[in-house]
Amino acid sequence: SAVISQKPSRDICQRGTSLTIQCQVDSQVTMMFWYRQQPGQSLTLIATANQGSEATYESGFVIDKFPISRPNLTFSTLTVSNMSPEDSSIYLCSVEARLYQETQYFGPGTRLLVL
Amino acid sequence: AQTVTQSQPEMSVQEAETVTLSCTYDTSESDYYLFWYKQPPSRQMILVIRQEAYKQQNATENRFSVNFQKAAKSFSLKISDSQLGDAAMYFCAYRIRDDKIIFGKGTRLHILP
Repeated sequence: SAVISQKPSRDICQRGTSLTIQCQVDSQVTMMFWYRQQPGQSLTLIATANQGSEATYESGFVIDKFPISRPNLTFSTLTVSNMSPEDSSIYLCSVEARLYQETQYFGPGTRLLVL
Repeated sequence: AQTVTQSQPEMSVQEAETVTLSCTYDTSESDYYLFWYKQPPSRQMILVIRQEAYKQQNATENRFSVNFQKAAKSFSLKISDSQLGDAAMYFCAYRIRDDKIIFGKGTRLHILP
């Protein structure tokens, strides 16, 4: 399985500010995914990021609020913009497995608290 | 629309005992994949086991096994010889190729010493 790291692991932010979360993979992958997990809830897909193209956003998520970059095959960033307390969540990135591409492996997550 | 239902929000099991977590799903597809993920308090999602729908044989991974009933659209997870480290949130998930993963709401498993 891929080794995935995320930075920061946690942060406390003020309302109205923005935070950029980084996701680094130890091998080249085609598809990277960003999820949000609100407190006590399941995972919700925010967007799919392919290298060299615009991210594809799920219903309810927009690029202005969650801009994503994918500059190469091992790295992606998710920015949470103009944050409000409702953005307090765990944000996870994931990648498809090389051998079984229907399987996803997840990073350790970023716990965000917005005051 | 595909849905995944985990009817047990919380379960408890005595250490060394066996526990079964339930999962049902709704789909009109015949070719799909099912997963169980574990999320301990450290919050990292860890793949426990995967099952391809076209395979009749139930997947196993050490102490973890599934009971896949395709006609009933049921995919339960059995944990044998439960250990304290098994305490976590367990998510059942479904995916068809080239589409997003759909997660259930999760079952929180407590291991009693």
